[in-house]
Amino acid sequence: SQQGEEDPQALSIQEGENATMNCSYKTSINNLQWYRQNSGRGLVHLILIRSNEREKHSGRLRVTLDTSKKSSSLLITASRAADTASYFCATSGGKLIFGQGTELSVKP
Amino acid sequence: GAGVSQSPSNKVTEKGKDVELRCDPISGHTALYWYRQSLGQGLEFLIYFQGNSAPDKSGLPSDRFSAERTGGSVSTLTIQRTQQEDSAVYLCASSLVPAGGSTGELFFGEGSRLTVL
Repeated sequence: SQQGEEDPQALSIQEGENATMNCSYKTSINNLQWYRQNSGRGLVHLILIRSNEREKHSGRLRVTLDTSKKSSSLLITASRAADTASYFCATSGGKLIFGQGTELSVKP
Repeated sequence: GAGVSQSPSNKVTEKGKDVELRCDPISGHTALYWYRQSLGQGLEFLIYFQGNSAPDKSGLPSDRFSAERTGGSVSTLTIQRTQQEDSAVYLCASSLVPAGGSTGELFFGEGSRLTVL
């Protein structure tokens, strides 16, 4: 079974709004990563947060990690139509296991 | 090459035939993964190679699936006696494994889309 579970499964917002996606996992991890996938293409790495970190920023992306709750969130600020994609969290306790993903649609 | 290369990009086969999917990882990457993605679904872990260690085959769905990695580089995923439910995109990814043994950033190929008729 998959390690990560994401919600919502789908999210539709207007351009300029913020998008928040959540990821929960079950076992202890060394790091948690977020990836993006445009339709029909390979995945692209966005950000990695280690288990001893609580928050990390990269451009318009903000990731938080709460190891006590075994959860993470990805915030995309000031969204753009080009942010439309599927977003996956992946947890690493050795090998990397992916969640089911959140499908984000940003309407112009 | 600069990135992870997979071939073929598309494969259509008849039920019962064997198929081989190839992955060329980024040079120097010690970790190599195979995942399967059905339409609109997440990534299903299949197999993980790390250096000279025995591969983690815990995700292979049946004994019709096998994979090998020769010389710590190129990997081949073989599906024997294909079934219609094997239709999916098969994604390969490679990574450097930093000290501590946890996988870092994965670099993905574009995938091999398999259609079993």
